[in-house]
Amino acid sequence: DAGVTQSPTHLIKTRGQQVTLRCSPKSGHDTVSWYQQALGQGPQFIFQYYEEEERQRGNFPDRFSGHQFPNYSSELNVNALLLGDSALYLCASSTEAPYGYTFGSGTRLTVV
Amino acid sequence: KQEVTQIPAALSVPEGENLVLNCSFTDSAIYNLQWFRQDPGKGLTSLLLIQSSQREQTSGRLNASLDKSSGRSTLYIAASQPGDSATYLCAADPTNQAGTALIFGKGTTLSVSS
Repeated sequence: DAGVTQSPTHLIKTRGQQVTLRCSPKSGHDTVSWYQQALGQGPQFIFQYYEEEERQRGNFPDRFSGHQFPNYSSELNVNALLLGDSALYLCASSTEAPYGYTFGSGTRLTVV
Repeated sequence: KQEVTQIPAALSVPEGENLVLNCSFTDSAIYNLQWFRQDPGKGLTSLLLIQSSQREQTSGRLNASLDKSSGRSTLYIAASQPGDSATYLCAADPTNQAGTALIFGKGTTLSVSS
């Protein structure tokens, strides 16, 4: 049973550029959440998608946007990249029932 | 606003020792409490999930307890091994409603020496 799959694994971008990160949820999961983890910190919630709609959003600027597809996979887009956007981006999937979250291996984004 | 704190931030122990990692939260009205392991530069691996109606969960050498009234959870690791070296994160799930976000502590980095 495949878990949560994220791509790419690593990414280097230049300030001002745009980036798209991808996530495929665990089989049977229909909800996808995105988190940003800076070095030495706990993950911070960006937003959550369910039924192709953004259901909840954390304290992140509008430069961060997302999308969920009919097959439940999701994308995270970040525009006008800043050096401070350098972080590990984690995708987590879950179901409506509160049975916990499954995380992917993350995408390491470096902005130079 | 819910805040999660983990103490200590780092811990070094010799192989074979039993140890306890602590997690405290400011709002006792949480629903689930989940413990994760994170290896350097990697994603999160779920270790134990304590659901609202439960007080503890066990998996192998790991045991996690939850005391909502005191705002605390502990992760007990028995007979530690070098392979246990990692960062351990606890996360509170505030409600049983759809759409809520996990609130994480900063983690405890464990180093087990052989």
